[in-house]
Amino acid sequence: DIQMTQSPSSLSASVGDRVTITCRASQGISNYLAWFQQKPGKAPKSLIYAASSLQSGVPSKFSGSGSGTDFTLTISSLQPEDVATYYCQQYKSYPLTFGGGTKVEIK
Amino acid sequence: EVQLLESGGGLVQPGGSLRLSCAASGFTFSNYALSWVRQAPGKGLEWVSTLSGSGDTTFLADSVRGRFTISRDNSKNTLYLQMNSLRADDTAIYYCARMLSRLAWLVPFDYWGQGTLVSVSS
Repeated sequence: DIQMTQSPSSLSASVGDRVTITCRASQGISNYLAWFQQKPGKAPKSLIYAASSLQSGVPSKFSGSGSGTDFTLTISSLQPEDVATYYCQQYKSYPLTFGGGTKVEIK
Repeated sequence: EVQLLESGGGLVQPGGSLRLSCAASGFTFSNYALSWVRQAPGKGLEWVSTLSGSGDTTFLADSVRGRFTISRDNSKNTLYLQMNSLRADDTAIYYCARMLSRLAWLVPFDYWGQGTLVSVSS
């Protein structure tokens, strides 16, 4: 199974800050990497697929990069509505696996 | 508008069974693979099972193999998850998620339902 490791597990940043979350795969997954946002008490929402492609309707303040084993999700200017837990997920092979999540809060 | 609406969750005793349903609308159902993903209380996301658009390709997590069965009725635009021999560690919110293709390989999720809560307790 491919293990997905996210860091940090939580972060606190100020409104307007640039925020970066890292995801590492235990083996190469090319660009078969997705990112999700889950707000408290809500279902996950798909943000990014193929490591860097935005899902329809997702604002451009979200961006993704990486290939192989190392990936990043960046929020260009953190806003209160971005408070959520963010998950990465690989879809290179089954079983599909998720990172442990990164909880983003406002300082 | 794509919509996925899960139902069928509830409280069940250990060893019991439940069948979850995911009713879909707003897209051509058979053109998309679908999955179940669960989330235990306070925990992260865990993939459970995936079924291709035609229903001929199935994947199951080891944690549920032999106990859970995924199926779909393309005439009713509905995905199912039959859960047998339920255990306390199956307690979770179960989400239905659409994949970006009818194939189950190398395809990301795009839309998610709101989830249905399954509680396994005596």
